[in-house]
Amino acid sequence: GAVVSQHPSWVICKSGTSVKIECRSLDFQATTMFWYRQFPKQSLMLMATSNEGSKATYEQGVEKDKFLINHASLTLSTLTVTSAHPEDSSFYICSAPWTGVHEQYFGPGTRLTVT
Amino acid sequence: QKEVEQDPGPLSVPEGAIVSLNCTYSNSAFQYFMWYRQYSRKGPELLMYTYSSGNKEDGRFTAQVDKSSKYISLFIRDSQPSDSATYLCAMFDRNSGYSTLTFGKGTMLLVSP
Repeated sequence: GAVVSQHPSWVICKSGTSVKIECRSLDFQATTMFWYRQFPKQSLMLMATSNEGSKATYEQGVEKDKFLINHASLTLSTLTVTSAHPEDSSFYICSAPWTGVHEQYFGPGTRLTVT
Repeated sequence: QKEVEQDPGPLSVPEGAIVSLNCTYSNSAFQYFMWYRQYSRKGPELLMYTYSSGNKEDGRFTAQVDKSSKYISLFIRDSQPSDSATYLCAMFDRNSGYSTLTFGKGTMLLVSP
């Protein structure tokens, strides 16, 4: 299967600061990547679809000015959480489809803790 | 009614048991059905996917889809302690786009030696 990496795996930041999370497809090119958020014992919630060379598509209820997504190359998408607050603390996971959405590969996730 | 229902468990079984994990759904437009395994504090790992109804087997894993009942299952034969994880089902309607991808909350499986 394909490999997707994420960095950092865990980050702690202070309230009001910004945090950038990187998602890389290591052995394939991904024109589309997905960003999810997962709370403990909850399902994955799709936040946005990242498109290489164009604007991201955000799901209803997700603040696009707070969660900035950039997909600058075919192997890298970044999610920046701006002016983070404690309620933004969560597990953020990216994924990239290989043959299609039904066959997507996930990164290992980034645990964000905002103090 | 939630779109995808999955019993959160935990489901505890002894090593070697046959495990049955299930999801029900309400959207009849779903065409693709996926199963993911997620270890604690890790990203989900795709186990297998099925298109439409039917069975699919991969090693110790068998996925079944019954679209008439809106019910899908994942069977694990000869379960191992290393199978202890949370299993997520997911479904997708290709005709309606990415936003239709819906995950269950996951079932926690514990396999004891």
